[in-house]
Amino acid sequence: DQQVKQNSPSLSVQEGRISILNCDYTNSMFDYFLWYKKYPAEGPTFLISISSIKDKNEDGRFTVFLNKSAKHLSLHIVPSQPGDSAVYFCAALRPLTSGTYKYIFGTGTRLKVLA
Amino acid sequence: EPEVTQTPSHQVTQMGQEVILRCVPISNHLYFYWYRQILGQKVEFLVSFYNNEISEKSEIFDDQFSVERPDGSNFTLKIRSTKLEDSAMYFCASTYTSNQPQHFGDGTRLSIL
Repeated sequence: DQQVKQNSPSLSVQEGRISILNCDYTNSMFDYFLWYKKYPAEGPTFLISISSIKDKNEDGRFTVFLNKSAKHLSLHIVPSQPGDSAVYFCAALRPLTSGTYKYIFGTGTRLKVLA
Repeated sequence: EPEVTQTPSHQVTQMGQEVILRCVPISNHLYFYWYRQILGQKVEFLVSFYNNEISEKSEIFDDQFSVERPDGSNFTLKIRSTKLEDSAMYFCASTYTSNQPQHFGDGTRLSIL
């Protein structure tokens, strides 16, 4: 069940440049998407989200873009900083018949920002 | 900022033994979740819990697994008879409403020998 895919397991970027992390999904029922950041030995931390009715959401250095027709979202970090080095997971929310939601996570992309 | 806390941080258990992983969700949250991440793999949903009952569970969450909210603050995951393949990081998460971003604990590393 790979409804949410992150095809790049790792990415290296120079400090100050843009980091672009990509995520593809297959289920058009997803109505909310999130990005989480995870440092070693810590739990995932929520970063930014986007509703399926939008195509862009920005929060400081972080911008998430959603292309519904391509079933693709991306996270842009600019400028990238060494402290951004972490594993980034995209997640999609699927509504359930119970009225609750189910998170489905991608496999993660390890970002390394080089000083 | 309120946090989800998990104990212990690392649990080592013999195969076949029972293990209980503990979580204290954020106090006003109503939805509770368990996930696991096998080394090198993705974060996998196990179970969600709301209003004192399981609202959703995955295929992984078989009869060996159970969850409980024994009091107003703890949320536990029990594995009745552990197997080697249960070795993983187990994350607890909570939210106030089901479509809000989930807050995760730092996880319990479960090692089955």
